[in-house]
Amino acid sequence: AQKVTQAQTEISVVEKEDVTLDCVYETRDTTYYLFWYKQPPSGELVFLIRRNSFDEQNEISGRYSWNFQKSTSSFNFTITASQVVDSAVYFCALSEETDSWGKFQFGAGTQVVVTP
Amino acid sequence: KAGVTQTPRYLIKTRGQQVTLSCSPISGHRSVSWYQQTPGQGLQFLFEYFSETQRNKGNFPGRFSGRQFSNSRSEMNVSTLELGDSALYLCASGKGGKNQETQYFGPGTRLLVL
Repeated sequence: AQKVTQAQTEISVVEKEDVTLDCVYETRDTTYYLFWYKQPPSGELVFLIRRNSFDEQNEISGRYSWNFQKSTSSFNFTITASQVVDSAVYFCALSEETDSWGKFQFGAGTQVVVTP
Repeated sequence: KAGVTQTPRYLIKTRGQQVTLSCSPISGHRSVSWYQQTPGQGLQFLFEYFSETQRNKGNFPGRFSGRQFSNSRSEMNVSTLELGDSALYLCASGKGGKNQETQYFGPGTRLLVL
């Protein structure tokens, strides 16, 4: 069963618009971690943010912010004032304590296209 | 600090052959995980190695195997290649301790099976 769902396949925006990416996860663990990674056309997965299940504080880091809500099992990610360089596929990932920490379960990814 | 390196970056093989991919983790990292990425199945976990021991394994046939050396470098091997093995193979390195740490990914190896 899919444990991480990214319902948005592709999002197209014009530069300077905000982009919010949705992620819904499923787990029975009380201790788990959630991640967002970015994959540009080169293929490498670039780490963006990490959150553990005990910290629901939402933060802003530069143009990135996230909204973690355990009550709805959601971990949404927002890019503020998007730029062309933000064009990439974005993946949400779950790592569970009852599984080894090195095993990530990824969502299907959301393609973000930012046009000038 | 050097990042995760993977070699080779590109490979073309024919069905029935075997292939070995290599991954060198970030210095000081002892955990290496491997993932297969295809358009149809997305990113799927293959296996994880820590201190030369396989710590976890995904749902892949026995044709897929791996190992880790004492310097934490890891290799994965795919025997009797099939067309469906064409994919981007990514490895990730982490500290591998009791607490979750961020995993950092390499640039991947693109394998094409003809």
